Amino acid sequence: DQQVKQNSPSLSVQEGRISILNCDYTNSMFDYFLWYKKYPAEGPTFLISISSIKDKNEDGRFTVFLNKSAKHLSLHIVPSQPGDSAVYFCAAGFQGAQKLVFGQGTRLTINP
Amino acid sequence: DTEVTQTPKHLVMGMTNKKSLKCEQHMGHRAMYWYKQKAKKPPELMFVYSYEKLSINESVPSRFSPECPNSSLLNLHLHALQPEDSALYLCASSPRPAGTSGSSYNEQFFGPGTRLTVL
Repeated sequence: DQQVKQNSPSLSVQEGRISILNCDYTNSMFDYFLWYKKYPAEGPTFLISISSIKDKNEDGRFTVFLNKSAKHLSLHIVPSQPGDSAVYFCAAGFQGAQKLVFGQGTRLTINP
Repeated sequence: DTEVTQTPKHLVMGMTNKKSLKCEQHMGHRAMYWYKQKAKKPPELMFVYSYEKLSINESVPSRFSPECPNSSLLNLHLHALQPEDSALYLCASSPRPAGTSGSSYNEQFFGPGTRLTVL
């Protein structure tokens, strides 16, 4: 049973435009969510997180939105830059627990 | 020092070999993790150490044996592996184990991984 799903395996966006990556989850007990970025041959790099008590968290060009009723979160990157081309994983967890559940990842390609 | 390091970067081993993967962090983090990642799949948790003690074992076969000699080091000892164990092995750390004060956001910081091939 896949509790965290990223239904788009890939996404292609023009440089300067907005990139929107989506993530759905099934377990309503998850109460915090994270986005990671992964380049080939490197480990995932933490980008941004959000607690379930919020519906938005912003950090520079990155904004994460959480819709608890829809069990959906999204990562917005604006403006998109070529260096943003990578695989993006969303992950979910429980506060007070150490296990993160990862989605399958979305490969983002930013075209010049 | 703000990174997690892993050695070796690549490892090729036979099914009868014994080898070890090493992970190190000097950020003062007190929780460390081993993950396994197969191609085009998300990372899967294997083990968690909290304050140098094993706190989570995700039913990993005994041919994988973790060890945490001190708060900065995490090893994964490998013995009698199978070809299907070939994967990217990722180490991660986080500042505080879950349940301790201030650990409400458990961001995990990953190393670059060891690419393991079992022949």
